Amino acid sequence: NAGVTQTPKFQVLKTGQSMTLQCAQDMNHEYMSWYRQDPGMGLRLIHYSVGAGITDQGEVPNGYNVSRSTTEDFPLRLLSAAPSQTSVYFCASSYGPGQGSFIQYFGAGTRLSVL
Amino acid sequence: QKEVEQDPGPLSVPEGAIVSLNCTYSNSAFQYFMWYRQYSRKGPELLMYTYSSGNKEDGRFTAQVDKSSKYISLFIRDSQPSDSATYLCAMSAFRGSTLGRLYFGRGTQLTVWP
Repeated sequence: NAGVTQTPKFQVLKTGQSMTLQCAQDMNHEYMSWYRQDPGMGLRLIHYSVGAGITDQGEVPNGYNVSRSTTEDFPLRLLSAAPSQTSVYFCASSYGPGQGSFIQYFGAGTRLSVL
Repeated sequence: QKEVEQDPGPLSVPEGAIVSLNCTYSNSAFQYFMWYRQYSRKGPELLMYTYSSGNKEDGRFTAQVDKSSKYISLFIRDSQPSDSATYLCAMSAFRGSTLGRLYFGRGTQLTVWP
């Protein structure tokens, strides 16, 4: 099992550019989430999904889009990058309800800089 | 006010010391309490979890939950330089619209020096 795989590991964007951060898991997990981590702010939830076709907003959803067409993949789209989106992004997945949904497995992260 | 509060430190202790890390929370619906460990430039990994109140021990690590005070703790005995990392507390509700969603503290950065 590869677990949770995030690509790319590093990315530099110019203000206004768009891009997609990829996340894939091979554990057949129902739940998937995207977080951003900034110094002194901890992990903040951007968007999450409780199953294919179902997504919801977290704490800081503005400027980001998600979709979940398959169980395995949960891409995060930056629509028009801004310097405030410079951060480390983590994708996480977990089992569905009643099966340890609270135990999340994290990817290695994507470090994004927006100039 | 954030739902989960955690002192970010940093905390620096000598090898062999007992370390105490703490979080407070405001949402009485939280039933699952977790501690994640994050090494530098890596993703968080689950260290321990506890359901409802009580203690749980795993080797040198002990997790405590006091739901009446809305306070959780992680104790590390005989700390080692390899314990140097950021420790994040996280919580989850048992049921309801936020089932499966985790609420994280800001993380406490710990350094154990030889």
